[in-house]
Amino acid sequence: GDSVTQMEGPVTLSEEAFLTINCTYTATGYPSLFWYVQYPGEGLQLLLKATKADDKGSNKGFEATYRKETTSFHLEKGSVQVSDSAVYFCALSGVDSSYKLIFGSGTRLLVRP
Amino acid sequence: SQTIHQWPATLVQPVGSPLSLECTVEGTSNPNLYWYRQAAGRGLQLLFYSVGIGQISSEVPQNLSASRPQDRQFILSSKKLLLSDSGFYLCAWSVPGANNSPLHFGNGTRLTVT
Repeated sequence: GDSVTQMEGPVTLSEEAFLTINCTYTATGYPSLFWYVQYPGEGLQLLLKATKADDKGSNKGFEATYRKETTSFHLEKGSVQVSDSAVYFCALSGVDSSYKLIFGSGTRLLVRP
Repeated sequence: SQTIHQWPATLVQPVGSPLSLECTVEGTSNPNLYWYRQAAGRGLQLLFYSVGIGQISSEVPQNLSASRPQDRQFILSSKKLLLSDSGFYLCAWSVPGANNSPLHFGNGTRLTVT
């Protein structure tokens, strides 16, 4: 079945460092891909999305490119801030009528000042 | 604009007690509705989803149940809680009929079963 694999955390970086969080997927058909962010004690917020191959989603300095050839959707940011500390989830949409999202296990990011 | 409300925000319940968590969505009609659970330090597990009133699909067999008595109301219930039911429960909605529509989450309910 469809699945999402994320790099295990925690990822610990110093402020202004470059961030990459790896995400690969397995899916039938052509899913849409998403990154969500969860701040402590809160629900998930949509960070960015891409709906077809070679699309680049971007928001708040974060970017991810839908790579069909490598089935990847890695999250990047050029310069992280302490306020970016959170758990990041990669997800893909199924193609059945319920339009469920399948989530990865999440990657915790800790940015130190 | 659309909003989603979940309550309560936190809940501590003894083993064997009943559970009722409520979720309502405003500003949209006939949304797809979802219940997810996030166990401590783990990812999200889809528990139930609904594409319409009275239509509930269960993803994981367990002692929880869900109901959708109104178009924009989604309820998660249990008759007798287990210790393993502890976790962070998230309700979400999405626009029906669009396979690139993201999920919009509520702020979650943290349930501790003691």
